[in-house]
Amino acid sequence: SQQGEEDPQALSIQEGENATMNCSYKTSINNLQWYRQNSGRGLVHLILIRSNEREKHSGRLRVTLDTSKKSSSLLITASRAADTASYFCATDTQAGTALIFGKGTTLSVSS
Amino acid sequence: DVKVTQSSRYLVKRTGEKVFLECVQDMDHENMFWYRQDPGLGLRLIYFSYDVKMKEKGDIPEGYSVSREKKERFSLILESASTNQTSMYLCASRSPVTGGPEAFFGQGTRLTVV
Repeated sequence: SQQGEEDPQALSIQEGENATMNCSYKTSINNLQWYRQNSGRGLVHLILIRSNEREKHSGRLRVTLDTSKKSSSLLITASRAADTASYFCATDTQAGTALIFGKGTTLSVSS
Repeated sequence: DVKVTQSSRYLVKRTGEKVFLECVQDMDHENMFWYRQDPGLGLRLIYFSYDVKMKEKGDIPEGYSVSREKKERFSLILESASTNQTSMYLCASRSPVTGGPEAFFGQGTRLTVV
């Protein structure tokens, strides 16, 4: 059972543009995390937002969380070719023991 | 630098073989996980372990088993490999108790069953 669903599935932009990807989830959460995966590699943690936070920034990343809509968005500003990767949102199972991931958004940034 | 290491990046096995995928973490994490990743399906949880010798089934445990004899090592076992188990396998660990809830991933093992 996948808790999060990212949207869009794929996104192509030019360098310098902003990229926004969205995540919807089904049940109540304590926090929501975003991960990045370069092609054929493992996932790397980007940012975590807690359920009592509405917005969080880290460098060029901005994450928002709307618990009433059960949704989150990840904004990458001034994108670079090196941002080309797949991005996943993740939440804990209700027991809090495992992370459940969505299907991901594949971002392609061309120069 | 924290590390999760998977024993192989690429593996080719024959149908019916017993396959072992090994994962080792050096962070003293209690929780370890095995996921498989397929195009269009994202990451799906196969099994996880929250302590030595403890394990729980994830969403797709059929055809797999796991072993955790030591805290740092979590093995995924394909009892009799089949072609539909061709996939990317990702191991992860985390420690919600002593650190943040973020997970650390290995580099992945791309398994092909022929």
